[in-house]
Amino acid sequence: QQQVRQSPQSLTVWEGETAILNCSYEDSTFDYFPWYWQFPRESPALLIAIRPVSNKKEDGRFTIFFNKREKKLSLHITDSQPGDSATYFCASNTGGLSGKLTFGEGTQVTVIS
Amino acid sequence: NSKVIQTPRYLVKGQGQKAKMRCIPEKGHPVVFWYQQNKNNEFKFLINFQNQEVLQQIDMTEKRFSAECPSNSPCSLEIQSSEAGDSALYLCASSLTGGPETLYFGSGTRLTVL
Repeated sequence: QQQVRQSPQSLTVWEGETAILNCSYEDSTFDYFPWYWQFPRESPALLIAIRPVSNKKEDGRFTIFFNKREKKLSLHITDSQPGDSATYFCASNTGGLSGKLTFGEGTQVTVIS
Repeated sequence: NSKVIQTPRYLVKGQGQKAKMRCIPEKGHPVVFWYQQNKNNEFKFLINFQNQEVLQQIDMTEKRFSAECPSNSPCSLEIQSSEAGDSALYLCASSLTGGPETLYFGSGTRLTVL
């Protein structure tokens, strides 16, 4: 049972454009939503994260928009750069002290110049 | 840069062979996780420890997989009898609090079972 879903599976944008990655979840007890990015032949690295007390989290060119009522969130990458080309994973945990994460299927982003 | 050290980076085994990989968590991090990422990018939680004690583990881990985190030694994940379907990237992560905010992944061990 896939509890975290991502779309699209892949996305290609031109340099300078905004890439929008979508994520939805099922379990309303999830209370922490990190996004990881993963470059080929590397391990995932934390990019940005949000808790449901906020509906927006911004870090430079990366912004998470969160809609608790619809159980959806999105990651916006503004002014996309070729170096942003990676696979992006939305994840969630069940709260408390548990670091056990549930990951989405990933969105492969390609930024072309 | 991650301070979670995983070895070896690559591991190639034949079916039925044992496969063992190690992880040194970030200094001071008492909680260690093992995840499997398959070729379809699907992540599967395997097991986690707090200090030397198992917190949670999935059924798969209880059969062919074994793991431990002894004191003063690297943590390890071992597959007793490797199968082709075990080919994946095995990720170790450690956390200072046990929570996700302080969770960092190592570089992974990529296992190929021929």
